[in-house]
Amino acid sequence: AQTVTQSQPEMSVQEAETVTLSCTYDTSESDYYLFWYKQPPSRQMILVIRQEAYKQQNATENRFSVNFQKAAKSFSLKISDSQLGDAAMYFCTLTDSWGKLQFGAGTQVVVTP
Amino acid sequence: DTAVSQTPKYLVTQMGNDKSIKCEQNLGHDTMYWYKQDSKKFLKIMFSYNNKELIINETVPNRFSPKSPDKAHLNLHINSLELGDSAVYFCASSQQLAGGGNEQFFGPGTRLTVL
Repeated sequence: AQTVTQSQPEMSVQEAETVTLSCTYDTSESDYYLFWYKQPPSRQMILVIRQEAYKQQNATENRFSVNFQKAAKSFSLKISDSQLGDAAMYFCTLTDSWGKLQFGAGTQVVVTP
Repeated sequence: DTAVSQTPKYLVTQMGNDKSIKCEQNLGHDTMYWYKQDSKKFLKIMFSYNNKELIINETVPNRFSPKSPDKAHLNLHINSLELGDSAVYFCASSQQLAGGGNEQFFGPGTRLTVL
């Protein structure tokens, strides 16, 4: 069985500052993918960043980057230069070869001016 | 231009009723999914279809029955609604199933409230 653990229910960050969201996972599969999705108050689920497990290089997307530690089964998300529009629930997710997404419990990011 | 659409967005109904939620995607994707998000925001997959064939069927009561008339549609029918069915239901689609690394595109969600 796959599990995804997000131990931070809420993180607060000031505008322009950096925040890091933690995520650990467990899977018996050798081929898998990791994602971070965000869900703003609008409820819409939006892909933030994706990481293939076979790639050692950490993925980056503009102000978003990940720290992928495969041996430790850790997949943290760093948001740099935080903006008010980054306020949302962030879900760490793991997908297997069937495309089944396993979600973490989520981390609520609060951005203060 | 909506990629994945769901109707209705809000659904309020009485216990015991039967209701359906419709989902359509115009992305030409092969695979579609249904997820349930509970009141604590926890998301869990319910079903997935690939080319109209059921691929994933999680431990979901038989009262929930998905139907895929074609690749672009995946509807969810719920019989004998219970209070515990109250949740937000998301439809999603992805280009293909193989490899599992394809981005899933989500619909706006349907908030179901059972009274």
